[in-house]
Amino acid sequence: DTGVSQNPRHKITKRGQNVTFRCDPISEHNRLYWYRQTLGQGPEFLTYFQNEAQLEKSRLLSDRFSAERPKGSFSTLEIQRTEQGDSAMYLCASSLAWFGQVGDGYTFGSGTRLTVV
Amino acid sequence: AQKITQTQPGMFVQEKEAVTLDCTYDTSDPSYGLFWYKQPSSGEMIFLIYQGSYDQQNATEGRYSLNFQKARKSANLVISASQLGDSAMYFCAMSVNNNDMRFGAGTRLTVKP
Repeated sequence: DTGVSQNPRHKITKRGQNVTFRCDPISEHNRLYWYRQTLGQGPEFLTYFQNEAQLEKSRLLSDRFSAERPKGSFSTLEIQRTEQGDSAMYLCASSLAWFGQVGDGYTFGSGTRLTVV
Repeated sequence: AQKITQTQPGMFVQEKEAVTLDCTYDTSDPSYGLFWYKQPSSGEMIFLIYQGSYDQQNATEGRYSLNFQKARKSANLVISASQLGDSAMYFCAMSVNNNDMRFGAGTRLTVKP
């Protein structure tokens, strides 16, 4: 397993367009998380899944944002009618549902950097 | 509500010296986990160390140790023998009752030669 994979690495889009990002988690991890990070800030939680169920959504996640994890494996994050304020790094992470082993934590992907022009 | 506070926007340390990065947290739930991540300029988030709320001893991982003071709700990261490669952003994070993780604003550490 090569870790958490995110595609694309970079996306430049015009304001008003829709964009979709993909995240492939570590195969044995049943939880998948989406975060947004702007320059100089900590990651902000957006949403997470346990298997295919979306368990929590942040209030930051407006109705223009939707995330899916249809078969409990990969996930997609779609942003409709993008705005300049959506420009950020979108990070995906995966984990097992239960912590407890030394070294457990979230494994992050390299992120997708979105620039809305 | 859970909250993570990192009050040091930036820290400097001389190479080979030890440095402490501060983190305080707030939660009313007795079951939580505390994490530290490193984010170099390349952008990846690297997991460093974990402390469970019920753990009796402070966590250690190589040159990293977590100074866990439960009554004060602090979880400071201590890096011993700093190296130039330790220069990065460091984030403290908390997961309450095994739910999602929330992050602090981060501390930028610069190691001077």
